[in-house]
Amino acid sequence: AQTVTQSQPEMSVQEAETVTLSCTYDTSESDYYLFWYKQPPSRQMILVIRQEAYKQQNATENRFSVNFQKAAKSFSLKISDSQLGDAAMYFCAYRIRTGANSKLTFGKGITLSVRP
Amino acid sequence: DAGVTQSPTHLIKTRGQQVTLRCSPKSGHDTVSWYQQALGQGPQFIFQYYEEEERQRGNFPDRFSGHQFPNYSSELNVNALWLGDSALYLCASSLFAPGTVNTEAFFGQGTRLTVV
Repeated sequence: AQTVTQSQPEMSVQEAETVTLSCTYDTSESDYYLFWYKQPPSRQMILVIRQEAYKQQNATENRFSVNFQKAAKSFSLKISDSQLGDAAMYFCAYRIRTGANSKLTFGKGITLSVRP
Repeated sequence: DAGVTQSPTHLIKTRGQQVTLRCSPKSGHDTVSWYQQALGQGPQFIFQYYEEEERQRGNFPDRFSGHQFPNYSSELNVNALWLGDSALYLCASSLFAPGTVNTEAFFGQGTRLTVV
């Protein structure tokens, strides 16, 4: 069974600074996706960034980038130039890449606060 | 283009009652997945519907059941409600094309269920 672990329940960052959120996972599959989702108080899960396991290059989306270490099964999210609107819960998630099984397995999440 | 819509947004029920939650997928999507998110936790997969059939199920009792209609919308039913069923219930839709990679899942804003 696949598991996703986020061991930091809370983190805080100063506005305009950089913060890194950690995630580890366990799977016996070789072809999968990893995601970071943001859940603001509005409750809707918003996809922040996606990484395909077969790609060695780390994904980036504007101020968001990941450090994907496949052998170590580690997948961290770096937020640069943090903004007040980045304050939310962040979830790391895993999904197999092909086949009928498209369910997402989530970690417990981390609450990120941004100090003005 | 309307995204994933869920109704109702909030619901209060008494122990032992039954509840039905509804989800309309994003336009063009044919697969609906349901997740339960307890307070302060990550979403847990309940089940997934495709072609009006339950395709995959998570570790939830038979009190949790669902349905998918020909227009791809879906219902989640929970019988004999427990206090522990209090949670945010999220619906996610995606497009499943056999033999190809699964597309991205889009989430609704969820239904907050409180059992008293």
